[in-house]
Amino acid sequence: DIQMTQSPSSLSASVGDRVTITCRASRNINGYLNWYQQKPGKAPKLLIYASSTLQSGVPSRFRGSASGTNFTLTINSLQPEDFATYYCQQTYISLCSFGQGTKLQI
Amino acid sequence: EVHLLESGGGLVQPGGSLRLSCAVSGFTFSTYAMTWVRQAPGKGLEWVSSVSASGANTFYADSVKGRFTISRDNSKNMLYLEMNSLRAEDTALYYCAIVSRSVSPLPDCSSTSCYAEYFQHWGQGTLLTVSS
Repeated sequence: DIQMTQSPSSLSASVGDRVTITCRASRNINGYLNWYQQKPGKAPKLLIYASSTLQSGVPSRFRGSASGTNFTLTINSLQPEDFATYYCQQTYISLCSFGQGTKLQI
Repeated sequence: EVHLLESGGGLVQPGGSLRLSCAVSGFTFSTYAMTWVRQAPGKGLEWVSSVSASGANTFYADSVKGRFTISRDNSKNMLYLEMNSLRAEDTALYYCAIVSRSVSPLPDCSSTSCYAEYFQHWGQGTLLTVSS
């Protein structure tokens, strides 16, 4: 199995800030890493797949990057609607796995 | 428009069984793998199980292997999760989702294919509570 470790578990920021969330895979996943956003009471929403490909309709202030087994989600110029919980997910193997989540708070 | 609707959740005693269903519309169901993801109250997302488009291949998280069975009926556009020997720790909101895929933009393939896979469409979930 592949373990995904996200950090930080929570993060406080303000509108207009730039924030970075990281995710580390326990072994090589060849960049098969997705990012999701979840708001309370809602299903997760896909933001980025394959490390850095922005899902259609997602604002360009969201950016994903990768370096080896380390992955980063950067949100530029935070908007009020961006305060949510973010999850990474590896789909390198059929038994996919999620990170534990990062709660982004005002 | 793609639509997924889960049903079948409820209150079950420890050791009991239940079957969840997911009705899907708005896309060619038989050409996509499907998956179940759960979320315990106040906790993160946990992948539970996936099934290939044909139903021939199934995959399970270690936490449910041997107790849960995923299946699908492509003639009815339905996905199922049969859950046995339920435990308190199975209490969660269970989501079904489509395993979308596109040609990978990455230089290397995954362990299974050269497609990027991701969960683009989700239902709203059905709540399972395991308690005496």
